[in-house]
Amino acid sequence: EPEVTQTPSHQVTQMGQEVILRCVPISNHLYFYWYRQILGQKVEFLVSFYNNEISEKSEIFDDQFSVERPDGSNFTLKIRSTKLEDSAMYFCAITRQGENSPLHFGNGTRLTVT
Amino acid sequence: AQRVTQPEKLLSVFKGAPVELKCNYSYSGSPELFWYVQYSRQRLQLLLRHISRESIKGFTADLNKGETSFHLKKPFAQEEDSAMYYCALSYNNNDMRFGAGTRLTVKP
Repeated sequence: EPEVTQTPSHQVTQMGQEVILRCVPISNHLYFYWYRQILGQKVEFLVSFYNNEISEKSEIFDDQFSVERPDGSNFTLKIRSTKLEDSAMYFCAITRQGENSPLHFGNGTRLTVT
Repeated sequence: AQRVTQPEKLLSVFKGAPVELKCNYSYSGSPELFWYVQYSRQRLQLLLRHISRESIKGFTADLNKGETSFHLKKPFAQEEDSAMYYCALSYNNNDMRFGAGTRLTVKP
């Protein structure tokens, strides 16, 4: 059973629409990360989240993006007004507390903005 | 199903010793393979991608389609190489699978 499940696996949306990508850990994970991979490029860090607040974010993570844990278990990434260049694979990663805890990646959500 | 296996969760070597982090993949098509590194809770960084065939920080990796492997090697490990290393398989127009990671510890 995977440590983390992402939904949906594929999301198609029109430019300007809001999307919410979801990440559901199996249990007991304290650190959450969102990464994205634009087609043909490397995986890029977006944001890390610990103890119900953002611990670090990249320059990509602008005001269009937000993260939250709405019910204490799910971890969501919201893009308020999608742009064509937001089309990418979005990966959630989680880890437990502890310096040596590995990252567990979800299978990703493919976001296509048309 | 597409899968990436890193058989070693932990690997410990002494400084100056050679190191090899193993990665095997399962994919019937043409794979694109990567190694990513995470230093001490920092963000994930791209280390290598097989199509570029370059050497970064002294690390190399060769894709062996016969053995379906993409092992990461360095002839002389340094203490600053201590980190988590993730092998990743990209396929089917940007789908990706990550391995479970190997924690490399280089002892002085």
